[in-house]
Order: sequence, then C-alpha cells, then structure tokens
Amino acid sequence: AQSVAQPEDQVNVAEGNPLTVKCTYSVSGNPYLFWYVQYPNRGLQFLLKYITGDNLVKGSYGFEAEFNKSQTSFHLKKPSALVSDSALYFCAVNTPSNTGKLIFGQGTTLQVKP
Amino acid sequence: DTEVTQTPKHLVMGMTNKKSLKCEQHMGHRAMYWYKQKAKKPPELMFVYSYEKLSINESVPSRFSPECPNSSLLNLHLHALQPEDSALYLCASSRDSTNQPQHFGDGTRLSIL
Repeated sequence: AQSVAQPEDQVNVAEGNPLTVKCTYSVSGNPYLFWYVQYPNRGLQFLLKYITGDNLVKGSYGFEAEFNKSQTSFHLKKPSALVSDSALYFCAVNTPSNTGKLIFGQGTTLQVKP
Repeated sequence: DTEVTQTPKHLVMGMTNKKSLKCEQHMGHRAMYWYKQKAKKPPELMFVYSYEKLSINESVPSRFSPECPNSSLLNLHLHALQPEDSALYLCASSRDSTNQPQHFGDGTRLSIL
C-alpha cells in the first residue's frame, strides 16, 4: 500500500534560520511527489512537485525540496524562514497507476517566531 | 485569490435539509475532485471526475451526491447529513494526468446542527 509519513507534527524555527519539513514515502513504482501549504481558513496551495529529472526541485516562495530515492524522502527546505511561512504543510504522493488519487501525509505545522 | 471558486463559503444546515455546494474553474482542467477535511488533518478524497465522468467514488455515503454538469462546474448535493459530516469541503481541479498538481479552492465550511 502507498503511504506518506511526516514524522513531525510541528516544527519551530526562528525567523531567518533555515527550515526543513520532513517527508518519507512508500510506493510501488515511480513516485510523483508534491508539497502543499495551507494557511488558516484557506484551501491547499501547491508549492512544488517532483516528477522526474533533477533531484533538487525549486518551488514557490523560495521553497525547495530534494528527492532522495535511496532514502525514499522528499524533504521541504527553505534557506531563511519568514514569520509568514507559518502554516500547515502537507506532503503528497501519486503514481502513474493511481489516477487522480493523491496520498497525503498527516501534515506538519510550521511555526516561525520573530 | 484562488483559481477554483467555491460557494458558499459557510453553510449551516439541519439534518433534514437539502443543500448543494458549488465549485467552478476556468483553467480548462479536465479532472475535478471533492475532498472532506477535518481540522488540522489531511484532506480525504471523496470523488473524482475525469472528463465529466465519475471515475472514483471513495465509498462515500449516498447522502453525498456529486454532479458534474460541464467541464467547468462541479456540484455536491447534500441530503440528510449527520453531525459528523461537519467539516471543510474542498474542491480541486487538475489537468488530465496524474503528475499534474491539483489546484484547490478555499472550501465550504459546513456545520450540521
């Protein structure tokens, strides 16, 4: 069965420090990996995706993620956190054989303090 | 502003009422989705429409009835809901392949009295 794990319920960082939100996955076949962010009272916003190619993917708002096939990980990173980055982050996976059905992680709340 | 528009933003209804949630996108996407989301939890897939045909029903109770009148519109008809159905209902759309990101609306917050 396909699954996504986000091992941290909450990540706390100081503004200006680098941040990492962790994600590991388990799928059969090649994964399509996504990161979404959700601000309070809003829907999910797409940040970035990995389909194929370079393992380092750059996305919106200065976020990037690194695909690591051997560790089955897709951690989200940003060199310098902003207070406005505080939100709920979801990692998700899909595969070519799983049409339209995203499997989400449980979510990680990122808290950036001034 | 999101490119997927959902109405209404909030809905309060009794267990015997009938209401509908609406979703609209004008991005030319051919796949549309309904999700249910509880607070601080990931979205749970309910239905997927692909080229206006229902392709996935995640064993959703019949009190939820989806409809896709055309490629831009998606409705969710509600009848005889239960208090546990109170949640944020999200609509999303994507191009017609599995590797395309889904674009979400801001949802309808539904409360069942």
